[in-house]
Amino acid sequence: EVQLVESGGGLVKPGGSLRLSCAASGFTFSSYTMNWVRQAPGKGLEWVSSISTSNGYMYYSDSVKGRFTISRDNARNSLFLQMNSLRAEDTAVYYCARSKGSISMIVVATVLDYWGQGTRVTVSS
Amino acid sequence: EIVLTQSPGTLSLSPGERATLSCRASQSVSSSYLAWYQQKPGQAPRLLIYDASSRATGIPDRFSGSGSGTDFTLTISRLDPEDFAVYYCQHYGTSWCSFGQGTKLEIK
Repeated sequence: EVQLVESGGGLVKPGGSLRLSCAASGFTFSSYTMNWVRQAPGKGLEWVSSISTSNGYMYYSDSVKGRFTISRDNARNSLFLQMNSLRAEDTAVYYCARSKGSISMIVVATVLDYWGQGTRVTVSS
Repeated sequence: EIVLTQSPGTLSLSPGERATLSCRASQSVSSSYLAWYQQKPGQAPRLLIYDASSRATGIPDRFSGSGSGTDFTLTISRLDPEDFAVYYCQHYGTSWCSFGQGTKLEIK
């Protein structure tokens, strides 16, 4: 059974940093592109970032580019999101999601076939 | 950037009825790279439909997707009580990824 379990969320002050983790199990993690998607309170879904199987491609939404860094450790079946210079508008539930297909030089994201339950990030003073 | 607009914002129907949800793109979606997700309160989204009309694994056949170009539709043939949720469309497969704002399907 595919399982994705996020952790690392919490309350942080504006300008602060946070590192999210996603532990994957039930599938060959190293064979799949992975993503982060967020959902602000009462709002819709926003794709944040994606990373290819061997770190060859990493993409970000314009809203987080230059502040967030996605990474993965295939040996530990783990996905990460380093979030710096956090703003109030980054407040959201952050989901880890598996891609059904692969990203490339011209494809930044694909269908997301499995999702974790999310971890909540609150940016407030 | 392709902007996806879903309509209606809220749809009120009764169990057993047919639901038709719309997703319109601001530009033509290449190769019908359009997906639909269902999200219930407090839960993660669940993939229903991908490539505009392919059902994801384990999705009941009362869910179907159609459309091409800029106009896409998710149809639920006979509503089950568990189908009342928020539905999102997603564009993918290009240099951008975006979601629609969602349609809330509520019990009438």
